[in-house]
Amino acid sequence: DGGITQSPKYLFRKEGQNVTLSCEQNLNHDAMYWYRQDPGQGLRLIYYSQIVNDFQKGDIAEGYSVSREKKESFPLTVTSAQKNPTAFYLCASSAGPGSFHEQYFGPGTRLTVT
Amino acid sequence: QQQVKQSPQSLIVQKGGIPIINCAYENTAFDYFPWYQQFPGKGPALLIAIRPDVSEKKEGRFTISFNKSAKQFSLHIMDSQPGDSATYFCAASKGDYKLSFGAGTTVTVRA
Repeated sequence: DGGITQSPKYLFRKEGQNVTLSCEQNLNHDAMYWYRQDPGQGLRLIYYSQIVNDFQKGDIAEGYSVSREKKESFPLTVTSAQKNPTAFYLCASSAGPGSFHEQYFGPGTRLTVT
Repeated sequence: QQQVKQSPQSLIVQKGGIPIINCAYENTAFDYFPWYQQFPGKGPALLIAIRPDVSEKKEGRFTISFNKSAKQFSLHIMDSQPGDSATYFCAASKGDYKLSFGAGTTVTVRA
């Protein structure tokens, strides 16, 4: 059963703590992405990775960090530097060159920071 | 600033009606225009996509109309059903990694 898994579905943290969101895919896709979704707004790109051991900042990378040590995994860390971390976080993947724009999304993680 | 402007923010139709969602863009380098459907608490799912060399594309009850000169495209949901109630996002890409999303339209189909 191929797809993208994100865990946990809901995550609660205290302000000032770093938190890591998991994203795994078994689609053999080269590229992976992290988006943030806020009510009434479209999806905004945080980071993306086109190949293992390489990643690039998106439009709103400040306060976030990522790693891409394995093709199937792309964890996102929300650091204490992120001013407004409460949001719905979505991970996506796409096959690679020629198909970067055909992105498939995971079920999301809703992070609440108080 | 948002590169893709989407309207309306929400709309309600009766079962069998045709909700229409409109998107506009400025960047003429965009060459791929997908639509995503998102149910509450779920990730978006790719619904249908179009390239600017065609003016219309149909997949089942979903139709995209594309007007290259006006830099606008729209989604029509034919014979809408309550199960179509969801948030719909348009997006645009220059064929590279980055998708620019509209703000989303929440569609409610009443039985």
